[in-house]
Amino acid sequence: GAGVSQSPSNKVTEKGKDVELRCDPISGHTALYWYRQSLGQGLEFLIYFQGNSAPDKSGLPSDRFSAERTGGSVSTLTIQRTQQEDSAVYLCASSFRHDRITHSPQFFGPGTRLTVL
Amino acid sequence: AQSVAQPEDQVNVAEGNPLTVKCTYSVSGNPYLFWYVQYPNRGLQFLLKYITGDNLVKGSYGFEAEFNKSQTSFHLKKPSALVSDSALYFCAVRVDAGNMLTFGGGTRLMVKP
Repeated sequence: GAGVSQSPSNKVTEKGKDVELRCDPISGHTALYWYRQSLGQGLEFLIYFQGNSAPDKSGLPSDRFSAERTGGSVSTLTIQRTQQEDSAVYLCASSFRHDRITHSPQFFGPGTRLTVL
Repeated sequence: AQSVAQPEDQVNVAEGNPLTVKCTYSVSGNPYLFWYVQYPNRGLQFLLKYITGDNLVKGSYGFEAEFNKSQTSFHLKKPSALVSDSALYFCAVRVDAGNMLTFGGGTRLMVKP
């Protein structure tokens, strides 16, 4: 597709359940990012993938959060044993390879709104 | 660590008037600055970026931003606001050695007819 797609658009789950959120980046983009947008915390970086390099996981808030990227394309963000404070909009972004000369902008998907009851 | 401040939660402007959305940053190292806009129930859309060179950068939809190193600011501007510009605007910074964007808290722009 032309842009970053994410699924599902909305997810309601019960506290303690696991959830998986999916991101399909723009074709040709080798960098993929996950961010979280919540009322209290604004936009927070979670994790970054670049090609086959080890991901930058420095933004993951706890070990309940994990992400993988298969085949350098689609990514899945998994939250285990969800808590109410995990409720937020999870945004995925992709870009061409991070380049210190051109600083390719990140292009964002529409997000997945997660509600933990 | 880097940070971005958007001191105004909301900016109100009449249609046709110039608008300014303020952003200041704090980084150690060279700042690379971005503006994004978010419409309701949509993801963030890239507007413009400052990497190096001219301090005034032009972007999408008639927006521009001025980089001021001495004031560590990167204010977003538009000469004549449209009602359709009403949205949430985010300023972001990436530091030379970093990968992710650090965002400001966002400013809601309301343009009234």
